[in-house]
Amino acid sequence: QVQLQESGPGLVKPSQTLSLTCTVSSGSIRSGNYYWSWIRQPAGKGLEWIGHIYTSGSTNYNSSLKSRVTISVDTSKNQFSLKLSSVTAADTAMYYCARTVVGQTRYTWFDPWGQGTLVTVSS
Amino acid sequence: DIQMTQSPSSLSASVGDRVIITCRASQSISSYLNWYQQKPGKAPKLLIYAASSLQSGVPSRFSGSGSGTDFTLTISSLQREDFATYHCQQSYTTPRTFGQGTKVEIK
Repeated sequence: QVQLQESGPGLVKPSQTLSLTCTVSSGSIRSGNYYWSWIRQPAGKGLEWIGHIYTSGSTNYNSSLKSRVTISVDTSKNQFSLKLSSVTAADTAMYYCARTVVGQTRYTWFDPWGQGTLVTVSS
Repeated sequence: DIQMTQSPSSLSASVGDRVIITCRASQSISSYLNWYQQKPGKAPKLLIYAASSLQSGVPSRFSGSGSGTDFTLTISSLQREDFATYHCQQSYTTPRTFGQGTKVEIK
């Protein structure tokens, strides 16, 4: 059963770049028909999709964050990463990585999810 | 972006109750709709995909229905472990968007 685990600094200063890594275990990041996604959730609020990457390197980002987001993949390490630049307090949230399963007729869904990592933006 | 609106935002129910949560999309999304369960301090867990397909390992008391713009998640007989927040999510187009969540609390 594939598992995902986020890692990275829990505190980032305003205007700096948030950097997180998701490590995929018990399965190859290259196997199957999957995308690899980042999703965030501010405390007490709803979920926001940040973007995803395919193992070919092709990406798709939420337009609300597109100018600040970069998602990359390192297949040799079975990892994918998120960079969010010029952060403000509004970027404080729980950040989740998730596998996007691509089913028949282009149905997709997020499963499984990592446990999440809390990132606080504060000086 | 497609807006997803859930109702109610919260509800109180008793063990054994039938619970229905609705999700409405701002435009037609066919059956590109997923449901997740999230317990406090935990990551969301997939329950239903493609509007009505039950994820492996999820109890059969959970069911999903709908297409177009209107969808429902039904819990046929609420169990204690079902008290959680439920989120709908459209996969019709990017950006993927979620509803604001429905919190199911103990009456």
